[in-house]
Amino acid sequence: DGGITQSPKYLFRKEGQNVTLSCEQNLNHDAMYWYRQDPGQGLRLIYYSQIVNDFQKGDIAEGYSVSREKKESFPLTVTSAQKNPTAFYLCASSWAPGNTEAFFGQGTRLTVV
Amino acid sequence: GEDVEQSLFLSVREGDSSVINCTYTDSSSTYLYWYKQEPGAGLQLLTYIFSNMDMKQDQRLTVLLNKKDKHLSLRIADTQTGDSAIYFCAEKRGKGNKLVFGAGTILRVKS
Repeated sequence: DGGITQSPKYLFRKEGQNVTLSCEQNLNHDAMYWYRQDPGQGLRLIYYSQIVNDFQKGDIAEGYSVSREKKESFPLTVTSAQKNPTAFYLCASSWAPGNTEAFFGQGTRLTVV
Repeated sequence: GEDVEQSLFLSVREGDSSVINCTYTDSSSTYLYWYKQEPGAGLQLLTYIFSNMDMKQDQRLTVLLNKKDKHLSLRIADTQTGDSAIYFCAEKRGKGNKLVFGAGTILRVKS
């Protein structure tokens, strides 16, 4: 089955620790995206990548880092520099720029304890 | 504030029509989308409309686009309890084809 998979579904982190969220897709999509969702707010773009080995900052990139070494994978690291990391994180992918549809994963809920 | 604005909450009775409204700001947006999110889940694309269209119908869903007023609406006919969810309006803009989302409208369907 083709799709986009995020893991884990729930993640707990101690303050001061880095943590990496996984996003894998087998849809052969070129573009991948990371969004953050907070209650009562729309999704905000953290980072996006249009092609392997290239990525751009979104609107709220501070405290986050990404890599795109493989087409299928776009992991997001939430660093200790992110002041308020507790949120629901959503990964998405789409064909090359201009395509109509982005497919979303099921999300990872990160809680800092 | 949000560049894409939506009302926060809508309550309807089962069988009635629901209309969810959205306003956006970027007149150069090429595509506008409606996504549905059920509790604890990712977003599911419901429908989209290209900016040179003014209406699109897909089974129970009708999308209306008023490009002059930058207003988008989603009408759900014969609303069912399974339609209860958060509905996000989004526009695709910019060189990077970023999707910019509204804050979402919570639709509650009463039986």
